Amino acid sequence: DVQLVESGGGLVQPGGSLRLSCIVSGSTFSDYSMNWVRQAPGKGLEWISYISSDHSTIFYEDSVKGRFTISRDNAKNALHLQMTNLRADDTAVYYCAAKEGDFWSGFYYRFDYWGQGSLVTGSS
Amino acid sequence: DIQLTQSPSSLSASVGDRVTITCRASQNIAGFLNWYQHKPGKVPKVLIYGASTLQDGVPSRFSGAGSGTDFTLTITSLQTEDYATYYCQQSYTTGRFSFGPGTKVDIK
Repeated sequence: DVQLVESGGGLVQPGGSLRLSCIVSGSTFSDYSMNWVRQAPGKGLEWISYISSDHSTIFYEDSVKGRFTISRDNAKNALHLQMTNLRADDTAVYYCAAKEGDFWSGFYYRFDYWGQGSLVTGSS
Repeated sequence: DIQLTQSPSSLSASVGDRVTITCRASQNIAGFLNWYQHKPGKVPKVLIYGASTLQDGVPSRFSGAGSGTDFTLTITSLQTEDYATYYCQQSYTTGRFSFGPGTKVDIK
């Protein structure tokens, strides 16, 4: 089974930076496209970023574009999310989520595998 | 951008009840609609993809239907382990994998 383990969450002041990581095991990491999905306290799920298996295609949700950077290291089975200029409304549990194969138009793309989540709290 | 709405936002039901949750898209998304179950302290789980295809390992009491803008998730006989929040999610738009706001199902 594919397993995903996040790390790197914590308390950060508004305007600060934080880097989340997600280590994938149990399958060939480079076969999977990866995503970050977050859930603010008391709120629903929000997709925020996607990266293709070979990191050639990257997408961001508008609210994080220009502040967050998704990346991956296929040699280390690692996904990262570099978060800068953090705001109070970025407070959330951040999940990494995986799908075997890449998104393409016409494909029923969904998030098959999820990590346990990493809490990021923006507070002054 | 495509917006997803869900109704109801919450419901109370008893074990054995038939439960139906609706997801509506702001524009035609064909069949590119997935459903997830999320329990407190657990990770979200795919139930249905492509509007009506049951994910491997998901009990057959779950079913999905619809296309275009209107979709439903039905649980034919609610079980205690089904109490959770359910989300729809669209994959029609390249680079915009939005979720609906969720429907919380709790015990009546």
